[in-house]
Amino acid sequence: DTGVSQNPRHKITKRGQNVTFRCDPISEHNRLYWYRQTLGQGPEFLTYFQNEAQLEKSRLLSDRFSAERPKGSFSTLEIQRTEQGDSAMYLCASSLDGGSSYEQYFGPGTRLTVT
Amino acid sequence: DAKTTQPNSMESNEEEPVHLPCNHSTISGTDYIHWYRQLPSQGPEYVIHGLTSNVNNRMASLAIAEDRKSSTLILHRATLRDAAVYYCILRDVEGSQGNLIFGKGTKLSVKP
Repeated sequence: DTGVSQNPRHKITKRGQNVTFRCDPISEHNRLYWYRQTLGQGPEFLTYFQNEAQLEKSRLLSDRFSAERPKGSFSTLEIQRTEQGDSAMYLCASSLDGGSSYEQYFGPGTRLTVT
Repeated sequence: DAKTTQPNSMESNEEEPVHLPCNHSTISGTDYIHWYRQLPSQGPEYVIHGLTSNVNNRMASLAIAEDRKSSTLILHRATLRDAAVYYCILRDVEGSQGNLIFGKGTKLSVKP
């Protein structure tokens, strides 16, 4: 399968703990996006990389959140000192730069539950 | 990106056509109309996009009003697998960094 993969698929953690999620995009895609989705809502944009450069961050991305994309390949999203409000599905997507489509390919997501 | 308005939910019978409407009265000249759908327990997937002309692909058709203030996603023969949340999204490809702005979408139920 050459689609976007995310690990882990599910994560349960206690409030105050740190968690890290990984996203492996489609190999030739230079853009990578992170979104968060809560129950009954559409996904909300968090941050975006072009190659290894983080070009945009949403105001939703508090200072407890950090994302990296070393070498422009896989990406990690870390949440420090988790809170119950961080419980959500975290989605990663990738795309190719250029063109009218900018079609984004999404991974299956990581479901985070903070107890 | 401009805002879109969609019905919260719609129902369809299997093997019948489905017309999913989207209003985008404040669309600008450089906004493309994109549709994504999200099957249960999966990430969203691209369906179709267009600018001014109607578009067809293997998944669906997109009918765009002449004034571009509304559009309709058409599934020609709904199957049970088409039950999903459908999102209509406007994207100013020239000016944006490319992130998608999702609304709540339309939840489509398909009855056998």
